[in-house]
This record gives sequence, structure tokens and C-alpha cells, in this order.
Amino acid sequence: GDSVTQMEGPVTLSEEAFLTINCTYTATGYPSLFWYVQYPGEGLQLLLKATKADDKGSNKGFEATYRKETTSFHLEKGSVQVSDSAVYFCALSDYTGNQFYFGTGTSLTVIP
Amino acid sequence: DTEVTQTPKHLVMGMTNKKSLKCEQHMGHRAMYWYKQKAKKPPELMFVYSYEKLSINESVPSRFSPECPNSSLLNLHLHALQPEDSALYLCASSQGGTSGGFQETQYFGPGTRLLVL
Repeated sequence: GDSVTQMEGPVTLSEEAFLTINCTYTATGYPSLFWYVQYPGEGLQLLLKATKADDKGSNKGFEATYRKETTSFHLEKGSVQVSDSAVYFCALSDYTGNQFYFGTGTSLTVIP
Repeated sequence: DTEVTQTPKHLVMGMTNKKSLKCEQHMGHRAMYWYKQKAKKPPELMFVYSYEKLSINESVPSRFSPECPNSSLLNLHLHALQPEDSALYLCASSQGGTSGGFQETQYFGPGTRLLVL
């Protein structure tokens, strides 16, 4: 069945460092791909999404490109801030839109 | 307004209590969801309502009883819970409510942190 595999954490970076959180998926057809972020003590917020191959989602300096050839949707940010400290979830909706899968989450801590 | 509100924020209950969690959205969304999230884990889907009808029940024990009284409100009634049910309960909504709804953006509430003693 469909699934999402996400980079194990936790990740600790210094402020202004480059961030990559890896996400790969297994799916039939063309799923939709998402990154959600959960700040401490809060619910989840959509960070970005992509619905077809080669689409790039971007928001708040974060980017991820839907790569069909490598079945990946890695999250990147060029310069992280302390306020980016959160748990990041990669997620997939199957091509029918009737199934949804979260990755295990990656905890990011950014230190000043 | 892209807000989903949940009450209460925190809840402590005994195993014999009956309580309810409430969720509300005023975005005109027709799909609403309940998720359960344990610490350091991803959310697990419990129920999905589409146009106020239960469309997905992920084999959740009957001590959890969802209710969707109208298109803006979603309740989760709790009865005879176990300590392992302690978790963060998240409500979410999305626009469509028709098949293929998971391709849409889900808007999450802040959650209710439940402790069962």
C-alpha cells in the first residue's frame, strides 16, 4: 500500500543553517504531497503542498519539489530561524484522495 | 477566517466519566475529521464526516462516539475511557466533503489534551 518514509530526528541546527528534511513515498499513480508543521503545544498547519510531478511548493522560505523519478518530496530552507523549531510531518494523499498517510514526523530545534 | 476552534483545551477525566470534546469551524467546509495524536507520533485518523454523514470510521472503539449536529460543529463523546486513551485529540476540516477529499488542505484546530486517570 501507499506509505511515507520520513527522515529520523531529532535535528538540531544553528540559526541561519541550511535545512533539509528527507521524505520519500511509495504510491500508485500520482499522489498529492504535503508538509505540515506542528509548533509546540499547537495543532498542525499546512506548510506547503504539491499535486503533480515537478511542482514546487513554497511558503515562509521553505520549499519542496515533487520528484516522481526519485519518489521524493524533501523539505528545504536556506536559513533557519529559532522560530522554525517545530515538528515537521510529510504526508501523502493517494491519487483517489480517499486515503491519507502521515510520516513519522521530524523534530527540528534551532539554537541561537 | 481559517480557524478551527476546539474546546476544552485540556480535560482530565476518570474512567467512569462521560465527557464531550467540541470542534467548530466557520469556513463553510463540508468535511470534518477527528485525529488522535500520542506524544512524539503522527496523528492517527479516527473519523471523517462528509456533509454531516459519517464516511470513515477507522475501527475506533465504541467508547468514542462522534456526532456532527450541523455543518459547522463536530463533537466527540467519550465514555468509559482507558488510561491509554490519553492523548491530544485534533479536529480538522477541509472544503470539499466529496470523494477525493484528502487531496485538499486540512485545517487543524489546536487540539484537546486529554488525560484519563
